[in-house]
Amino acid sequence: GAGVSQTPSNKVTEKGKYVELRCDPISGHTALYWYRQSLGQGPEFLIYFQGTGAADDSGLPNDRFFAVRPEGSVSTLKIQRTERGDSAVYLCASSLTGGPNTEAFFGQGTRLTVV
Amino acid sequence: KQEVTQIPAALSVPEGENLVLNCSFTDSAIYNLQWFRQDPGKGLTSLLLIQSSQREQTSGRLNASLDKSSGRSTLYIAASQPGDSATYLCAVRPMDSSYKLIFGSGTRLLVRP
Repeated sequence: GAGVSQTPSNKVTEKGKYVELRCDPISGHTALYWYRQSLGQGPEFLIYFQGTGAADDSGLPNDRFFAVRPEGSVSTLKIQRTERGDSAVYLCASSLTGGPNTEAFFGQGTRLTVV
Repeated sequence: KQEVTQIPAALSVPEGENLVLNCSFTDSAIYNLQWFRQDPGKGLTSLLLIQSSQREQTSGRLNASLDKSSGRSTLYIAASQPGDSATYLCAVRPMDSSYKLIFGSGTRLLVRP
């Protein structure tokens, strides 16, 4: 596609429920990233994929969070037993490679609200 | 641990003013620094990327400078317009984890007509 696409754009869920957030990167981009942005803050790194594998998942806050990228393209961020503190905008980005001089392109984000 | 700070947190100026947004970072071991724009409810749009070996980059009315040794960058916006109203974020790419972007909290800019 023309850019990074994230669905849904908004998600409201009840505390304790399970949610999945989807990211379609730019075609041909091998690197994919998830970030989380709380209100009034900058995005914070969650996880980095190079191809199908998670090269760095050190930013995932706890084991309720998990992400996959089974075919090296679309990625899904999964959150189990959601808590109100998980409410934030979840941003996905992709880049041609994971190298330091390749530009990352961001999607519009999914705004998650846990009530 | 790398920390990125942006000052001011918010800024309101009349249309036509030239303005400067500041970004500072604690660890100078970076590959590059990038300035982004974020409109309400939207994702991030890249404005300028400065490599660590560069001193500045320009795009239209925007000019970004980088002083890596002192851990500072500025984004200069000339002849501001109401359409420039947005949140401006700076981010550094650290050498020890070059795939990551470490962001500041942003400066919310309002340009009044």
